[in-house]
Amino acid sequence: QTVVTQEPAFSVSPGGTVTLTCGLSSGSVSTSYYPSWYQQTPGQAPRTLIYNTNARSSGVPDRFSGSILGNKAALTITGAQADDESDYYCVLYMGTGIWVFGGGTKLTVL
Amino acid sequence: QVQLQESGPGLVKPSQTLSLTCTVSGGSISSGNYYWNWIRQPAGKGLEWIGRVYTSGSSNYNPSLKSRVTISVDTSKNQVSLRLRSVTAADTAVYYCARGGGSWDWGQGTLVTVSS
Repeated sequence: QTVVTQEPAFSVSPGGTVTLTCGLSSGSVSTSYYPSWYQQTPGQAPRTLIYNTNARSSGVPDRFSGSILGNKAALTITGAQADDESDYYCVLYMGTGIWVFGGGTKLTVL
Repeated sequence: QVQLQESGPGLVKPSQTLSLTCTVSGGSISSGNYYWNWIRQPAGKGLEWIGRVYTSGSSNYNPSLKSRVTISVDTSKNQVSLRLRSVTAADTAVYYCARGGGSWDWGQGTLVTVSS
């Protein structure tokens, strides 16, 4: 089964820019995988940030953006803030009705 | 604004069947071109997609769980159900339901522990 890959951990300075990626163990991610991104803080349900590659969910600040970079989906946070410190998950549509989550990235803002 | 609330037993014995319900409020479960997902998360671990169902009854499942899972919808009650058979301790997790079809809307989740 195809594995969805994410960086296990990343750090960014307050005010800085960070790009998290979402790839495949085999092959390239394209818009056909409808990549979505979720933010989760401890003890809370995930919150949808980005769907369909680059559509921002309602209420999500525009400093969060989604794209395809090379052969991966990407989530870019511009002007990182302390409360962006969270776990970030991507999910990809594999076709035939199947979705697969990445392992998540723990983002530290320091 | 649609709201989703998961409910069900918090403790299930090994080898038994885990049954959860997701109650949808703030709109009809049948309106729009949505599908209804179940996702789980063991403590300290990542998210795992379990499966989804459309209000037509059409469903898709994670291949690793397919032999044990049934997801169904009851439009008269505005509810989506999850049944996971022959559970083990590895099925202990927070279980979420989420409305899909664009931006996913998530419930708050419910913890299910598998233990004797």
